[in-house]
Amino acid sequence: GAGVSQSPRYKVAKRGRDVALRCDSISGHVTLYWYRQTLGQGSEVLTYSQSDAQRDKSGRPSGRFSAERPERSVSTLKIQRTEQGDSAVYLCASSATGQPQHFGDGTRLSIL
Amino acid sequence: GNSVTQMEGPVTLSEEAFLTINCTYTATGYPSLFWYVQYPGEGLQLLLKATKADDKGSNKGFEATYRKETTSFHLEKGSVQVSDSAVYFCALIGAAGNKLTFGGGTRVLVKP
Repeated sequence: GAGVSQSPRYKVAKRGRDVALRCDSISGHVTLYWYRQTLGQGSEVLTYSQSDAQRDKSGRPSGRFSAERPERSVSTLKIQRTEQGDSAVYLCASSATGQPQHFGDGTRLSIL
Repeated sequence: GNSVTQMEGPVTLSEEAFLTINCTYTATGYPSLFWYVQYPGEGLQLLLKATKADDKGSNKGFEATYRKETTSFHLEKGSVQVSDSAVYFCALIGAAGNKLTFGGGTRVLVKP
């Protein structure tokens, strides 16, 4: 069946602009996660949601990161006022209750 | 909080050599432990997991044993192939949570 799909695959944005990254999770998965990956520093969780259409503002202390879930299997990660340090690969993952997480291929974000 | 430490790469090996990637963790209680693999241009994939002490996870010739006494989950493969070239991430989910905590990743390059 279809796996976790992320779009776009690559994103370039100017510093200070807002960006939105999309994730289509696996149908039936309850929990959806967003991770930020930097080789050498590993991946840190940014935000996650376990309910329909729930906005989760947890994660990064600055509060510039948030996620919306307009549909059960769709999530949008929003980064406000991007900074150069936001350049990274952003991974989306979803899981059924008590099951391992399945990851998308990631979106590589570059902030100029 | 929880943390995962794994050996830095890159690790360069010849085909059919023995591979070990060390991983140690810090967590309260009994976390679940995972190894994820990321092949070039692809997203993270679950390689193997272990959910309790002394459990051995295995897949595709890779093995890792959950050692509570040394808080370790070292990944091993007896005879690597060129197709094993990838980045390997050790990770855990704490006993009370569902979010993954990753190590920094270890890049493995297998040469023919």
